[in-house]
Amino acid sequence: ETGVTQTPRHLVMGMTNKKSLKCEQHLGHNAMYWYKQSAKKPLELMFVYNFKEQTENNSVPSRFSPECPNSSHLFLHLHTLQPEDSALYLCASSQDNGVAKNIQYFGAGTRLSVL
Amino acid sequence: DAKTTQPTSMDCAEGRAANLPCNHSTISGNEYVYWYRQIHSQGPQYIIHGLKNNETNEMASLIITEDRKSSTLILPHATLRDTAVYYCIVRAWNTGNQFYFGTGTSLTVIP
Repeated sequence: ETGVTQTPRHLVMGMTNKKSLKCEQHLGHNAMYWYKQSAKKPLELMFVYNFKEQTENNSVPSRFSPECPNSSHLFLHLHTLQPEDSALYLCASSQDNGVAKNIQYFGAGTRLSVL
Repeated sequence: DAKTTQPTSMDCAEGRAANLPCNHSTISGNEYVYWYRQIHSQGPQYIIHGLKNNETNEMASLIITEDRKSSTLILPHATLRDTAVYYCIVRAWNTGNQFYFGTGTSLTVIP
């Protein structure tokens, strides 16, 4: 148990569906992250939120829409996805304070399959 | 961030020490060495980090050479549950949010 909970663990959706991934952290951290991990590829950083403000968007297509209502919750809203978006989506959190910024705690991930 | 080089894969016998090397010859003075691991289909797990002194915690030890150009992560008594991909990351704390995990070393602990 890392203190970061992601739901659902598995998701199958069609290309015309709309779904949301949820992440909740119980660590009191003030930074949260979304990563994508495709098969046999390194993790790719998608979005970063610091103190509920989005501070990084790594050229992610608009069919992925993040939302951070407070420092403990992070959502990733999905719509009109493509089959190549099938991947493991990971949420992480950290304390944005010096060296601790780079100690990220990850959830177990959501395995997404787009049909 | 400094580039790191790790072997693609390694095997280790159960109960023996696993020594995972990492080269980071271009490391800067303000960059730390971080180690994470990822067990299959789970999120990465932070293990340990260090600047120049050797570090030890309940999971592992980190040995950093005096010139800081390489380091070794040591799992003192490897178990089957230590089978995972291990990532060595070199990074300063004040250089933005991007955190590049690379391809890491796939460690297989053999019974």
